Amino acid sequence: QVTLRESGPALVKRTQTLTLTCTFSGFSLRSSGMCVSWIRQPPGKALEWLALIDWDEDKYYSTSLRTRITISKDTSKNQVVLTMTNMDPVDTATYYCARRYSANGFDYWGQGTLVTVSS
Amino acid sequence: DIQMTQSPSTLSASVGDRVTITCRASESITNYLAWYQQKPGKAPRLLIYKASYLQSGVPSRFSGSGSGTEFTLTISSLQPDDFATYYCQQYESYSLTFGGGTKVEIK
Repeated sequence: QVTLRESGPALVKRTQTLTLTCTFSGFSLRSSGMCVSWIRQPPGKALEWLALIDWDEDKYYSTSLRTRITISKDTSKNQVVLTMTNMDPVDTATYYCARRYSANGFDYWGQGTLVTVSS
Repeated sequence: DIQMTQSPSTLSASVGDRVTITCRASESITNYLAWYQQKPGKAPRLLIYKASYLQSGVPSRFSGSGSGTEFTLTISSLQPDDFATYYCQQYESYSLTFGGGTKVEIK
């Protein structure tokens, strides 16, 4: 079955760089049409899409965050990595990774990981 | 970026009610719209994709419609398990965006 799991630090300091890893199973990012995305949600607020990487290694970024984030994949390890530089307390959120296949929505999500940024 | 505006932001309803949530896009997204349900402390769950396609395993009381810039999510008969927050999301453009959410509360 398809699973995704986010991992990374629970606490980072202001100005540090955050690195999160999404480890998935049950599908391959080599398959045509397959994508993995990062999405975050500050406490009590709405979902915010961050970045997406597809099977062909094409990468897409949020317009407002593109200067700070990088998405990459290690297909052999079934992992997708998000790095976000210059973290600020406003970046405190639960960070999710999610899968999308072809023109469907995000059908599988990780449980999310809460990242707190201290000042 | 394409802006997604949901209305209402909060909705009070009773079990058995027919509920409609609207999502408007700032420009045409053809039918590249998905709807999600989220409960507190949980990841979102995909309900509808491509505006009107029901995700496998989702009850048939959920339906989606619309195209272009205006979309609706309808719950035909609200059940206790449906009290949650609902989000629309467009994926027409390379910069995906979510709506601000609609919280469905018990009346």
